[in-house]
Amino acid sequence: GQQVMQIPQYQHVQEGEDFTTYCNSSTTLSNIQWYKQRPGGHPVFLIQLVKSGEVKKQKRLTFQFGEAKKNSSLHITATQTTDVGTYFCAGLRRGTSYGKLTFGQGTILTVHP
Amino acid sequence: DTEVTQTPKHLVMGMTNKKSLKCEQHMGHRAMYWYKQKAKKPPELMFVYSYEKLSINESVPSRFSPECPNSSLLNLHLHALQPEDSALYLCASSQEKRGGMNTEAFFGQGTRLTVV
Repeated sequence: GQQVMQIPQYQHVQEGEDFTTYCNSSTTLSNIQWYKQRPGGHPVFLIQLVKSGEVKKQKRLTFQFGEAKKNSSLHITATQTTDVGTYFCAGLRRGTSYGKLTFGQGTILTVHP
Repeated sequence: DTEVTQTPKHLVMGMTNKKSLKCEQHMGHRAMYWYKQKAKKPPELMFVYSYEKLSINESVPSRFSPECPNSSLLNLHLHALQPEDSALYLCASSQEKRGGMNTEAFFGQGTRLTVV
């Protein structure tokens, strides 16, 4: 079945440091989404990437979709304590039924003040 | 209103009990989902409803029975669960676009289920 691998599993940073999480799929994706889940909370949508090589920015967050549409990354510049949480990528394999997103394992980000 | 509301927030049930989880959205979304999430794990897709019809069942055991009474409501009926079914159950909804492209999913707060 489709695998979406996400690394690292955990990341501890000092406030102000940068953070990056990576997703790799075994198959070509139609699109990829990123979600953030705060401790004790529910996933909240951040962004969707659709085009090969696409780069999108949201303030300190930069999202990339690889040229082959098999990998993606989320980079946070100058982390803040409010960035704490688990970041998930979720991909839709090309040709797969609508709605059948596969989530990566997530990266748990801890930010030390 | 961009909320997905789930009730109850917490549920403790015995292995012989029957209970139901409820989910409601008023965003006009025609795709609704049930996910199961264990601690420190990603959400796992269980069911997808599209225009009130079950479109995806991810080989979920029959002790979980979904129902979509109308376009705003989604239920998950539980019967004879096992302790390993204890988890956070998340409901989500999204618009469904032609061409099969996923759109943003809005998640509810979840029901934290404990089976004893």
